[in-house]
Amino acid sequence: KNEVEQSPQNLTAQEGEFITINCSYSVGISALHWLQQHPGGGIVSLFMLSSGKKKHGRLIATINIQEKHSSLHITASHPRDSAVYICAVPPISNFGNEKLTFGTGTRLTIIP
Amino acid sequence: DTGVSQDPRHKITKRGQNVTFRCDPISEHNRLYWYRQTLGQGPEFLTYFQNEAQLEKSRLLSDRFSAERPKGSFSTLEIQRTEQGDSAMYLCASSIDGVTGELFFGEGSRLTVL
Repeated sequence: KNEVEQSPQNLTAQEGEFITINCSYSVGISALHWLQQHPGGGIVSLFMLSSGKKKHGRLIATINIQEKHSSLHITASHPRDSAVYICAVPPISNFGNEKLTFGTGTRLTIIP
Repeated sequence: DTGVSQDPRHKITKRGQNVTFRCDPISEHNRLYWYRQTLGQGPEFLTYFQNEAQLEKSRLLSDRFSAERPKGSFSTLEIQRTEQGDSAMYLCASSIDGVTGELFFGEGSRLTVL
């Protein structure tokens, strides 16, 4: 089973700050998912990436396959970014979405 | 609304009762996944379907749990003789395929067993 570690577990920042959330995993993969979960419980997929970098608005995700590490960055953070951010990976490199292993999440709070 | 929908959103039941959750995926999505999430933890895989075929079940899915997707569209997750340890958020997700498709999640069904 792929082991996933996220850091930090909790992060509080002032509005406008640059945010970095990290994810490390133990087994080589084909793709990694970054997800956002709001207090109501619903989950939104932010990125699915297998190499390099992806950008969507103020969100940037990077992955280093050799180092088994990914980061999620938020530029110009805003209180509405407050949520739990979760990374998820498949069990082995040949798998996509099946049997994803999820990290425990990083709880981000942005203070106005 | 063309997203993934789950019903009911909240269910409170007494220990020993049976409960059933329903998931309606995005209509053209072949893959449907069930996950369970307890407080403070990330979701854990339960089972998934390719069309109507249930391809894999986690060891977390005891004999009291059964999932179906009879016509390859909506899916149901039934828990028989509920226990307090079954209290969790049950999440459904769908994707157009298993390898390259982005996952789309429902809002979840929160179960509380008293």
